Amino acid sequence: DAKTTQPPSMDCAEGRAANLPCNHSTISGNEYVYWYRQIHSQGPQYIIHGLKNNETNEMASLIITEDRKSSTLILPHATLRDTAVYYCIVISGTYKYIFGTGTRLKVLA
Amino acid sequence: SAVISQKPSRDICQRGTSLTIQCQVDSQVTMMFWYRQQPGQSLTLIATANQGSEATYESGFVIDKFPISRPNLTFSTLTVSNMSPEDSSIYLCSARPGQNSYEQYFGPGTRLTVT
Repeated sequence: DAKTTQPPSMDCAEGRAANLPCNHSTISGNEYVYWYRQIHSQGPQYIIHGLKNNETNEMASLIITEDRKSSTLILPHATLRDTAVYYCIVISGTYKYIFGTGTRLKVLA
Repeated sequence: SAVISQKPSRDICQRGTSLTIQCQVDSQVTMMFWYRQQPGQSLTLIATANQGSEATYESGFVIDKFPISRPNLTFSTLTVSNMSPEDSSIYLCSARPGQNSYEQYFGPGTRLTVT
């Protein structure tokens, strides 16, 4: 079973920030949080990852709560090209990805 | 990073036949994986392709049905054997390039339809 829980779908207006939550309440101390997205008919694309600190790169920001039981992926200025399914994955030394159902983000013009 | 290509990109096959999917990475990688994505569903890990040894299969997947080869650090194949319509899915390979990161790069997938 997936170790993460995400809302099945979200809408976001173009140009606004998209905030995608993920619950990983059973995460252990050495497990990382990884985010991927899958645009229709393509393979998943890496976005960002973190352990306990907040992270930012050119694509997104990742906010991890202090207890590490949840995180939020932030796309600061969503565009129509950000419409995709977003997956939050928890991973450790087993290096195996267990994909949950993800969040289908629709960016609206 | 790593760039991954898959062949074929799609195929339509008759039941009872087999199809071999190829996965090529543009650089040497430590680990390669095969996933299945059934229509409208998320990805499910089939197996880890081990270089020079037998693949490690996840629960519900067996070598007789999904034989995997990995002859070197840049290439792997997945065969879907004795196909039935239930095998209609997208099959994706991925690669984990480095020892110090869990990041995986995915191929574009092979869309298989079994009639």
